[in-house]
Amino acid sequence: DVKVTQSSRYLVKRTGEKVFLECVQDMDHENMFWYRQDPGLGLRLIYFSYDVKMKEKGDIPEGYSVSREKKERFSLILESASTNQTSMYLCASSLPTGYTQYFGPGTRLTVL
Amino acid sequence: KQEVTQIPAALSVPEGENLVLNCSFTDSAIYNLQWFRQDPGKGLTSLLLIQSSQREQTSGRLNASLDKSSGRSTLYIAASQPGDSATYLCAVSGGNNRKLIWGLGTSLAVNP
Repeated sequence: DVKVTQSSRYLVKRTGEKVFLECVQDMDHENMFWYRQDPGLGLRLIYFSYDVKMKEKGDIPEGYSVSREKKERFSLILESASTNQTSMYLCASSLPTGYTQYFGPGTRLTVL
Repeated sequence: KQEVTQIPAALSVPEGENLVLNCSFTDSAIYNLQWFRQDPGKGLTSLLLIQSSQREQTSGRLNASLDKSSGRSTLYIAASQPGDSATYLCAVSGGNNRKLIWGLGTSLAVNP
């Protein structure tokens, strides 16, 4: 079975802190994704990566950056956390286009 | 711009009922359509993926249909059980675009 793990289930940070969210997949998938999920807004794509060191902006990249130094690991970075970045963050991975995405359990981030 | 709508937003049924969840999309030029399940506070689990050339897919008590020309998909759940209680999300993928476009989901409660 595909397994996607995220470094934390719950995280509380202060405004202005730099925050790292880590995601690891064990199925050699080319594609990896970071979403945030908010009530009434659904899932919104922040960034995705289709290969090591390759990345593309999603629909809401402002305030975020990503890093993919190894195929199995995709990191989301909040450069200076703000209260409007309080959300559920979901990581996913997949084979190339046309295949289903496998999701991690999510990280509930609260920025105070 | 592709938009995905799911109706109803919430549904409550007694155990044992057969039920249908609806998903509509505005642009028929899709690559595939996927149905996911999300339990409260958790990540998403892929249920069914229908390629654009297919009309339906089945897995156990679940059956998903796709009508590209009318921009509609339905997820049929037979003999519903309390364990089916969750939010069901529909997502479409278009052409070479690796992104999924998501609906807001239908929150299903199956009452014993």
